[in-house]
Amino acid sequence: QTVVTQEPSFSVSPGGTVTLTCGLSSGSVSTRYYPSWYQQTPGQTPRTLIYNTDTRSSGVPDRFSGSILGNKAALTITGAQADDESDYYCVLFMGGGTWVFGGGTKLTVL
Amino acid sequence: EVQLVESGGGLVQPGGSLRLSCAASGFTFSNYAMHWVRQAPGKGLEYVSAITSNSDNTYYANSVKGRFTVSRDNSRNTLYLQMGRLRAEDMAVYYCAREDGRTYGYAYAFWGQGTLVTVSS
Repeated sequence: QTVVTQEPSFSVSPGGTVTLTCGLSSGSVSTRYYPSWYQQTPGQTPRTLIYNTDTRSSGVPDRFSGSILGNKAALTITGAQADDESDYYCVLFMGGGTWVFGGGTKLTVL
Repeated sequence: EVQLVESGGGLVQPGGSLRLSCAASGFTFSNYAMHWVRQAPGKGLEYVSAITSNSDNTYYANSVKGRFTVSRDNSRNTLYLQMGRLRAEDMAVYYCAREDGRTYGYAYAFWGQGTLVTVSS
């Protein structure tokens, strides 16, 4: 069973830059997995940030960017703000109609 | 405006059954594949199931295969998830979600607010 890996937690200072990653327990993430990223605050519905590796969803500030870094998908937040403190999830398309979410990264801004 | 409204959640005993519904509006429902995603209390998101626009193909996570059935009624603009042989680990908020439809692989462009399923005796 393929496992999608994310850092359980990360911390960034206000105004700082942080890169969250999304990997595979076996193999490398590439654009063919169509990685997407979601932000979720407690009690809220997930909000799409990035899809198709690096396309920002409508209304998402350009300080959020997606890419492939090495063998992982990456979400970079530049100029972190207090309201970026959330859980961040990546999801990968595995083919055959199935997707797999990563375990999520809890981002703290302090 | 795309709207997805889930219903049907509630308390069910282990081994029991429940059917969730997702009423869609604001778009041509029959044109889009649909998904179910769940989130256990305090846990992360988990893909559950997907169905193509015309119901030709259905897909399931291994954790629910053989116990859950996804279906849709395009005439009623409604997605369903029939859940059987429920276990404690199925307790979660269940979200329905719509694919983008324009970008391949972009599965979760729109989300409902979710419905809570509690499995307990």
